[in-house]
Amino acid sequence: QSTLTQPPSASGSPGQSVTISCTGTSSDVGGSKFVSWLQQHPGKAPKLMIYEVSERPSGVPDRFSGSKSGNTASLTVSGLQAEDEADYYCSSYAGSNNLLFGGGTKLTVL
Amino acid sequence: QVQLVESGGGVVQPGGSLRLSCAASGFTFSDYGIHWVRQAPGKGLDWVSVIWYDGTSKFYADAVKGRFTISRDNSKNTVYLQMNNLRVEDTALYYCARGKTAPNSWGPGTLVTVSS
Repeated sequence: QSTLTQPPSASGSPGQSVTISCTGTSSDVGGSKFVSWLQQHPGKAPKLMIYEVSERPSGVPDRFSGSKSGNTASLTVSGLQAEDEADYYCSSYAGSNNLLFGGGTKLTVL
Repeated sequence: QVQLVESGGGVVQPGGSLRLSCAASGFTFSDYGIHWVRQAPGKGLDWVSVIWYDGTSKFYADAVKGRFTISRDNSKNTVYLQMNNLRVEDTALYYCARGKTAPNSWGPGTLVTVSS
């Protein structure tokens, strides 16, 4: 199974906005409403931040938002805070009943 | 509250076997699909397998197909991952996660080390 393509790193200053992209194909990201974003702090389990492209689970700040255009999904973090520094992974539940993950993006808050 | 706890990891030689368990609590276990996802040291997330809520459907990553078997016992709120013919490249922290299309709760993981 192929992985989704994410930039290895992203950064922004406190208060700024940063967007992380996730590129797949029409067989996964482009053709699925089941695109998610996960946050992982060092030594911790992943945490679901966005599901079904743009939905936020209860308890996730509205500073986190998701979108999709064609085969590329995006996660935007607005009003960056120090605690947002983490690794972020996109995932897509593809038609073949498997989960595809992106390679991960390390977000640094400068 | 929703809780998933993995167990069964350890150190095993190449070619050996391990059975991982994922014990769930705090929700109606039989309503949810469960994934196994692994993460090699310093690397990204790697999907391993999924079992549907009723155990009728099971799917595997190509890298583990034929070697790993997923199962569940809804009477015990537990999912299992039987891992046979383990390889050095199977070394990873193994997580179980609830939810078929978007895993929304994850356990802390159990570490599997395959080394001679």
